[in-house]
Amino acid sequence: GAGVSQSPSNKVTEKGKDVELRCDPISGHTALYWYRQSLGQGLEFLIYFQGNSAPDKSGLPSDRFSAERTGGSVSTLTIQRTQQEDSAVYLCASRVGGGVETQYFGPGTRLLVL
Amino acid sequence: AQSVAQPEDQVNVAEGNPLTVKCTYSVSGNPYLFWYVQYPNRGLQFLLKYITGDNLVKGSYGFEAEFNKSQTSFHLKKPSALVSDSALYFCAVRDIGDQTGANNLFFGTGTRLTVIP
Repeated sequence: GAGVSQSPSNKVTEKGKDVELRCDPISGHTALYWYRQSLGQGLEFLIYFQGNSAPDKSGLPSDRFSAERTGGSVSTLTIQRTQQEDSAVYLCASRVGGGVETQYFGPGTRLLVL
Repeated sequence: AQSVAQPEDQVNVAEGNPLTVKCTYSVSGNPYLFWYVQYPNRGLQFLLKYITGDNLVKGSYGFEAEFNKSQTSFHLKKPSALVSDSALYFCAVRDIGDQTGANNLFFGTGTRLTVIP
């Protein structure tokens, strides 16, 4: 597809369960970001991948959060032992490369932890 | 430190009237500035950005924004609002001197624009 895609679009889980969120960036985009959007909050940066470099994990809120990017393309954000405060919309964005190129966002995954 | 403030959670404007959505920023160096729009149940869509050059930037759907360095502002404007402009608008900034490598954007908390028919 032409844009960033994310799956699932909605996820409801029980507290304590693990969840995996998927992001397919725009083909050829070497940079990939995960953000979290909570109700009434701005976007919170979580993690950044650029090519084959080590990811910037400085935004991950706890060690329950991790992300991988396989083959420089698809990325998976994993949340272990989910908590109710993890409920949010998780947005993925990709960008061509370095510099000031625009980030293009996917539709997000709306996560609800019961 | 980099930050963005959107002082208004909600802006209401009548259809056909001009609209302004405010944004101020704080960076240690010079800024790159962006506006994104989010429609219900959709991701963020890029509207426009300021990198350098002309302080007045024109973007998608008739929107424009003016970079004002002295006031550290980047307000979004449109001469005549449409009902279809109703959405959540986010301002974002990145410091040109950012050496972290992530080049990630710092977003405001968003302003919900409602255009009243």
